[in-house]
Amino acid sequence: GAVVSQHPSWVICKSGTSVKIECRSLDFQATTMFWYRQFPKQSLMLMATSNEGSKATYEQGVEKDKFLINHASLTLSTLTVTSAHPEDSSFYICSAKETGTEAFFGQGTRLTVV
Amino acid sequence: SQQGEEDPQALSIQEGENATMNCSYKTSINNLQWYRQNSGRGLVHLILIRSNEREKHSGRLRVTLDTSKKSSSLLITASRAADTASYFCATLAGNTPLVFGKGTRLSVIA
Repeated sequence: GAVVSQHPSWVICKSGTSVKIECRSLDFQATTMFWYRQFPKQSLMLMATSNEGSKATYEQGVEKDKFLINHASLTLSTLTVTSAHPEDSSFYICSAKETGTEAFFGQGTRLTVV
Repeated sequence: SQQGEEDPQALSIQEGENATMNCSYKTSINNLQWYRQNSGRGLVHLILIRSNEREKHSGRLRVTLDTSKKSSSLLITASRAADTASYFCATLAGNTPLVFGKGTRLSVIA
């Protein structure tokens, strides 16, 4: 299957700082990328959908000014958690797909805000 | 909104036994996918079954789909300790993103 690389795998940051997570499709052009958040022992909750070259569509309850998503190219999307707080600590997973194909998932990023 | 609902929430079996997990969903779908997630790790895609398919096999995995009941089952035969993980079903409808169920936590005891 296609490969989606997510970086970093884990990050610890201080409260109030910003953290950027990258999601890359390595061998296909990702016209659409999705960002999910997963709390411990919970399911994945969709945060936003981004299409290359356009603004992301955020799910209800997700603060777009706090979770900045950029999908500037067909192989890269970034999620920036701005002014992170301990309650933002979670596992963040991206997935990417070409038009008409299934989505492939990155390995996830564990964010811990202290 | 959450679409898939897995059942049971947790399952503990002995190595060598079969494990069956069920998933129910609410709306019409294009396909249904099953994923595995080891603790604190990313998702591993296991199998995809399309809405016009009723059963698929992959190694020790067997997936069924009943669109009339809006349900699917994942059977893992001859389970191994390495199968210990959380298993999620996810549904795809139209061009919407995957919607995940809450998952079943499987523990296989050696």
